[in-house]
Amino acid sequence: QVQLVQSGAEVKKPGASVKLVCETSGYTFTAYTLHWVRQAPGQRLEWMGWINVGNGNTKYPQKFQGRVTITRDTSANTAYMELSSLRSEDTAIYYCARDGGYNFGSGSFPYWGQGTLVTVSA
Amino acid sequence: SSVLTQPPSVSVAPGRTARITCGGNNIRSRSVHWYQQKPGQAPVLVMYYDRDRPSGIPERFSGSKSGNTAALTISRAEVGDEADYYCQVWDIDIEHPIFGGGTTLTVL
Repeated sequence: QVQLVQSGAEVKKPGASVKLVCETSGYTFTAYTLHWVRQAPGQRLEWMGWINVGNGNTKYPQKFQGRVTITRDTSANTAYMELSSLRSEDTAIYYCARDGGYNFGSGSFPYWGQGTLVTVSA
Repeated sequence: SSVLTQPPSVSVAPGRTARITCGGNNIRSRSVHWYQQKPGQAPVLVMYYDRDRPSGIPERFSGSKSGNTAALTISRAEVGDEADYYCQVWDIDIEHPIFGGGTTLTVL
């Protein structure tokens, strides 16, 4: 079965960077786009970017341009999301999510990681 | 780009029908997906392509769309259906997903 397993909680100081891990299994890693989505306490889901795992192409929303970098290691079936220049407003749960592809429609997210809590505090 | 509008909250009595709406000016030409998120858990896809249910989602959940409004309908609502529900579309123009603000469903 498809599984996305994320790394553990992080506590960072303002200005630092954090790199989150999303280990996948149960499907062909390079066949599906992977996304990162975050959710601040009590807030809506917020998309942070995607990576075409097959060719490494990425796309980020304007809001995070220059601060977020998504990469992948195809030998390890693992994706990463690094967020730099952290501020208190970045405190949130960060999820990786796999694209739905043919079965669920490209642009849907039928598979999610369990989430990683990132706390930014001085 | 698309903006999706959901009511912040919907309340329903157990056994009755709840309807959660999602409005947006491009919805008529987009596929709408719905997610259920319970406290402390990751979102779960409960509807895709406007009206298709993933396996394991009860038949009590159904989706529809008319014009620029999509709806998730939960029949015979149960206390276990209490959750936040988010609609989502893929904005093909800017190549990224758009999420609605979420609706908290209360069953009481």
